[in-house]
Amino acid sequence: AQSVTQLGSHVSVSEGALVLLRCNYSSSVPPYLFWYVQYPNQGLQLLLKYTTGATLVKGINGFEAEFKKSETSFHLTKPSAHMSDAAEYFCAVTHSNSGYALNFGKGTSLLVTP
Amino acid sequence: ETGVTQSPTHLIKTRGQQVTLRCSSQSGHNTVSWYQQALGQGPQFIFQYYREEENGRGNFPPRFSGLQFPNYSSELNVNALELDDSALYLCASSLGAEPTDTQYFGPGTRLTVL
Repeated sequence: AQSVTQLGSHVSVSEGALVLLRCNYSSSVPPYLFWYVQYPNQGLQLLLKYTTGATLVKGINGFEAEFKKSETSFHLTKPSAHMSDAAEYFCAVTHSNSGYALNFGKGTSLLVTP
Repeated sequence: ETGVTQSPTHLIKTRGQQVTLRCSSQSGHNTVSWYQQALGQGPQFIFQYYREEENGRGNFPPRFSGLQFPNYSSELNVNALELDDSALYLCASSLGAEPTDTQYFGPGTRLTVL
């Protein structure tokens, strides 16, 4: 079975500061990893995903994540936070034998202060 | 490329009742997945349908059932509602059933069971 752990249920950063949201995964087979964002009263929107190939993945809105197999991590970063980045962020994992289910972490709420 | 819609937006039911939630996938998307998101938690996979057949199921009891129709609409039915069924229910559609296929989420239906 595969799972993800998101470290820090709440993260607060100042506008313009680096955003770092942590995600560690557990999987017995090569994982496929995803980051989704959820704004209030909305569904989830895909930020980026890692399937195979380049371990540094660039997504929308300036976000990127790096797959590190040795650390079983897939942390999400953004060099400079904007007020509009305030939202709930979810890391998710699946793999080739799963076929369908995304297994989500519990989420990290990002607060951006002026 | 989003365009997944769900109805109703909010719903209040009493314990023991039955409920039907609806989802309209993006045209051409053959796969729909349903997730339950309890307050403060990440989404939990309920089941997936691919071309009108159930393609996989999470750890939910049989009183959770679904249907997918040829016109890219689908339903989630929950019988004998329990208080713990109160949650945001999300549907997600994708082109195929591969784990690497991006799942596009709708805004969700907020179900409250009293």
